[in-house]
Amino acid sequence: DAMVIQNPRYQVTQFGKPVTLSCSQTLNHNVMYWYQQKSSQAPKLLFHYYDKDFNNEADTPDNFQSRRPNTSFCFLDIRSPGLGDAAMYLCATSRGDSNDEQFFGPGTRLTVL
Amino acid sequence: AQSVAQPEDQVNVAEGNPLTVKCTYSVSGNPYLFWYVQYPNRGLQFLLKYITGDNLVKGSYGFEAEFNKSQTSFHLKKPSALVSDSALYFCAVRPQTGGFKTIFGAGTRLFVKA
Repeated sequence: DAMVIQNPRYQVTQFGKPVTLSCSQTLNHNVMYWYQQKSSQAPKLLFHYYDKDFNNEADTPDNFQSRRPNTSFCFLDIRSPGLGDAAMYLCATSRGDSNDEQFFGPGTRLTVL
Repeated sequence: AQSVAQPEDQVNVAEGNPLTVKCTYSVSGNPYLFWYVQYPNRGLQFLLKYITGDNLVKGSYGFEAEFNKSQTSFHLKKPSALVSDSALYFCAVRPQTGGFKTIFGAGTRLFVKA
């Protein structure tokens, strides 16, 4: 089945230690998104790629970076995680029109010690 | 500021009864409107969307939603609730002029009792 895969499902890191979260898709979608979702809150868009074009949200901290080396893969890099970065990180994809729905992965839960 | 409001943190309904999960938005223009559902330990799943046309939109699992432009609302409905509908429901709005930016509501937890 075509899907969005996130690895790992659970990630524990130490305060200040860089961490990378991975997302892959078999849907061949043009757009890939990263969201941060804290407990009992709405998913918050961090950034998205349309193909190789990177679009950063204005309020996304510089501590968060992303890479999309090819259509299938997208990475979220947190350069120096703080305690406030502990959250669920959701990857999503969509075909390419702005009225298309998004397909979400299961998420990676990040714990910062 | 653009925003999406889901005024109820939780909705309780008995199995077999109709359910409504409310959503209102404050976004300029004519946005695209979406509903997603999230089950425990799983990602969000798309239920339905409104782009244009008929105000009543039908989606997955028997859900439907009614768009009301004057009230800027997009309430999710189902005629007969199932216990398996118990989950977290998110309303989402995408401004037509905003590219791919999507604004989510805070979510409403639905409990369906047998």
